Amino acid sequence: GAGVSQSPRYKVAKRGQDVALRCDPISGHVSLFWYQQALGQGPEFLTYFQNEAQLDKSGLPSDRFFAERPEGSVSTLKIQRTQQEDSAVYLCASSPKRTNPYEQYFGPGTRLTVT
Amino acid sequence: TQLLEQSPQFLSIQEGENLTVYCNSSSVFSSLQWYRQEPGEGPVLLVTVVTGGEVKKLKRLTFQFGDARKDSSLHITAAQPGDTGLYLCAGARNYGQNFVFGPGTRLSVLP
Repeated sequence: GAGVSQSPRYKVAKRGQDVALRCDPISGHVSLFWYQQALGQGPEFLTYFQNEAQLDKSGLPSDRFFAERPEGSVSTLKIQRTQQEDSAVYLCASSPKRTNPYEQYFGPGTRLTVT
Repeated sequence: TQLLEQSPQFLSIQEGENLTVYCNSSSVFSSLQWYRQEPGEGPVLLVTVVTGGEVKKLKRLTFQFGDARKDSSLHITAAQPGDTGLYLCAGARNYGQNFVFGPGTRLSVLP
């Protein structure tokens, strides 16, 4: 079956531009996670959705970052007024479970470069 | 400050050798997962451990969760070039969904 897909795979933005990153989770998966992975580092948690509800957004680094999942399937991570420190790979993961331990299935990521 | 530390950071070995990589923390985790990530791809889940002292085997890979649920190890027997990749451990605190990842061990298995 289809896995988690993310688009675009690569995005170059000029500093100050707004960007929107899309995640299509595996059909039927109730849980969805967003992570930020800097070069040479492990992923860092950004936010978590259970269906359309954003239950945890404690990892979002600033109010420039906003995520939504309005119909409980596709999710969008929006970054306003991008800064160079936002350059990273943004990973999305989905899980069929709604409680720990989650089995997370990751997408390939979107590599964002802010120039 | 890294909540999860992994060692070694880099490891290069010959095909057929055995190896162990470690994941350590001062915090207790309700569950711990190991992933392998290849360049340009997302991490792929290898195993989840939830009970202190638990040992799980996946073909040539053996995973152990520490008794106090603060650390874990991954042992690979007779490594193959296909084992090359970034090995990440991730812990869940307080039975929640906020996962903490370690920085990873980058393994290279040479033919």
